[in-house]
Amino acid sequence: AQKVTQAQTEISVVEKEDVTLDCVYETRDTTYYLFWYKQPPSGELVFLIRRNSFDEQNEISGRYSWNFQKSTSSFNFTITASQVVDSAVYFCAFLSGNTGKLIFGQGTTLQVKP
Amino acid sequence: NAGVTQTPKFQVLKTGQSMTLQCAQDMNHEYMSWYRQDPGMGLRLIHYSVGAGITDQGEVPNGYNVSRSTTEDFPLRLLSAAPSQTSVYFCASSSWTGSGGANVLTFGAGSRLTVL
Repeated sequence: AQKVTQAQTEISVVEKEDVTLDCVYETRDTTYYLFWYKQPPSGELVFLIRRNSFDEQNEISGRYSWNFQKSTSSFNFTITASQVVDSAVYFCAFLSGNTGKLIFGQGTTLQVKP
Repeated sequence: NAGVTQTPKFQVLKTGQSMTLQCAQDMNHEYMSWYRQDPGMGLRLIHYSVGAGITDQGEVPNGYNVSRSTTEDFPLRLLSAAPSQTSVYFCASSSWTGSGGANVLTFGAGSRLTVL
């Protein structure tokens, strides 16, 4: 069975600090997809990134970067120079290419203080 | 485009009552799913569907029924509501092309359900 673990329940940083959110997954699938979503205090879910199991290239988008390592089954998310607007709950998610089942981790609440 | 529409946004039920949470999408997405969100538990998959006439159980299916008679609609039925079903429910959809495809979920705005 697949599993997604976000071990960090809550993280608090001061503005301009860098912060890394961890995501570890378990699967026997060879084809799968990994996602990060953001849920700001307003409650909607916002897509951030998708990666498939055959693409281990890291990605950078502005202050956001993602590190995908199949060897450690991890898909970590780093925010550089954090801002107060980054305060939100962040979810890592796994989609099985075999079953179509998409499951989420427990989420990490990030608080960025001014 | 309306995207994913969930109704109602808020609902209060008494234990034992039944109700249906409606979900409709106008993007011709094959894949639809229901999640519940509880504090500290993240989003847990209840049921999902990869196309009309096809449904499957997620992580927490007990107490819920679904059907997918059309591509557009994916209602979630609570047969006999219990206080443990108090939660925020999200419906989501995406395109899906079997083993070769995966796309980004579009979420509804959520439905807050309270069972007394």
